[in-house]
Amino acid sequence: NAGVTQTPKFQVLKTGQSMTLQCAQDMNHEYMSWYRQDPGMGLRLIHYSVGAGITDQGEVPNGYNVSRSTTEDFPLRLLSAAPSQTSVYFCASSRLADYNEQFFGPGTRLTVL
Amino acid sequence: AQSVAQPEDQVNVAEGNPLTVKCTYSVSGNPYLFWYVQYPNRGLQFLLKYITGDNLVKGSYGFEAEFNKSQTSFHLKKPSALVSDSALYFCAVRVLNDYKLSFGAGTTVTVRA
Repeated sequence: NAGVTQTPKFQVLKTGQSMTLQCAQDMNHEYMSWYRQDPGMGLRLIHYSVGAGITDQGEVPNGYNVSRSTTEDFPLRLLSAAPSQTSVYFCASSRLADYNEQFFGPGTRLTVL
Repeated sequence: AQSVAQPEDQVNVAEGNPLTVKCTYSVSGNPYLFWYVQYPNRGLQFLLKYITGDNLVKGSYGFEAEFNKSQTSFHLKKPSALVSDSALYFCAVRVLNDYKLSFGAGTTVTVRA
C-alpha cells in the first residue's frame, strides 16, 4: 500500500491565483481530512469528510473548498490564494469505526507571495 | 469545545535519561487521546492512543503514556531517551461520535548525546 499520498510537495503561488492540492489514499478509509500546520499553532483542521459525497467544515475553513467524489480522493482547493495561506498542508485518513488513529500524508509546503 | 495544551515548547534531555512530554486536555465527555511524532520534513506518525481501560498505554519505539482523568492529563514518557527521539511531538484529543481531532501546539524534543 502507498498509504496517503499528496501532490505537489512544494508550490509557490502569487496572491489571487487558484490551485488544487491533491490527496489520495489506498486503504479504503472512510474518513479523510485536511490540516494546516503553522509554527506554534499545531495542526488546525480545515475540512473533513466521513465518506464519498459528504464533507464538513473544520476549525479554519475560510478560503478553502473540498469535495469527495470517491472514497480514495479528497482534493483541497484554494480559490484565491492569500499570503495568510502560506503553510504546510497535511492530508490524513482513517477508518471511521473504532476511533482509529489517522494516517498522515507527507505534506505540501505552500508559499503565497 | 475540546482543546489540548502542551505547556512546554521545548524539552531537552541527555541520552539515557528519562523523557517526559506533558499534555493536558479539555473535553465534554470521555476523551480519546493520541500522541503523534513528526520528524523534520515528514508527516505525522502515530505513537499511541488511549481509548478506554488501563491508564498506562504502551506504543511504538518504547514510548508509553499515562492517562490521568482527575488531572485531565496524558503525559508521554520514555524511560531512556535516544538521540533519534529528537523530533516534534503532538498530543491530540477527540470525543465519542465526533471525528474531529484537536491538536496541541507541539513540543520539540532534543536529546543530546
